[in-house]
Amino acid sequence: AQSVTQLDSQVPVFEEAPVELRCNYSSSVSVYLFWYVQYPNQGLQLLLKYLSGSTLVESINGFEAEFNKSQTSFHLRKPSVHISDTAEYFCAVSERNTGNQFYFGTGTSLTVIP
Amino acid sequence: DVKVTQSSRYLVKRTGEKVFLECVQDMDHENMFWYRQDPGLGLRLIYFSYDVKMKEKGDIPEGYSVSREKKERFSLILESASTNQTSMYLCASTGWGYEQYFGPGTRLTVT
Repeated sequence: AQSVTQLDSQVPVFEEAPVELRCNYSSSVSVYLFWYVQYPNQGLQLLLKYLSGSTLVESINGFEAEFNKSQTSFHLRKPSVHISDTAEYFCAVSERNTGNQFYFGTGTSLTVIP
Repeated sequence: DVKVTQSSRYLVKRTGEKVFLECVQDMDHENMFWYRQDPGLGLRLIYFSYDVKMKEKGDIPEGYSVSREKKERFSLILESASTNQTSMYLCASTGWGYEQYFGPGTRLTVT
């Protein structure tokens, strides 16, 4: 089974500053990688995903994440955050050969300060 | 758009009651999942199902059971609710794009 680590439980950042949310997973087997965002009192929404191909993937609202196989990482970045980015962010991993189970990190609470 | 719906957004039950949480997806997905979410613990898998009438235990199945009689519906049952089952419950299904689609969640309080 995979283990997914999000090292930072809370990240405060000023508006328009850059941010990086870190995610590491345990196994070097082939994986699918995901970032989800959760706004207060809502379910999780897919932010972006890596299945194959280019290691850099982007979302429609300016986030990007890079798959680094050697470091088993999938860090999420945004060059300039907005107040509306305040939310909980979850990293998730699914193994290619099973595909059924997802393994989630414990989440990072991003707070954007005006 | 894929839609995963859950029967209640907020639910308050008494200790010892039998509780049913319903989840319905409209995209003919094979796989469905039930998680509970608690602060600092992230999402923990309770049960999942990869086909009608099939189920697999997740990481924390104790005190829960599930039912999948139809492909689109996956129910979570708390046989005898206890206060330590107060939590946010999230249902999800997996599509062909491999990602999971989540419902809005049910916040259950057991008093």
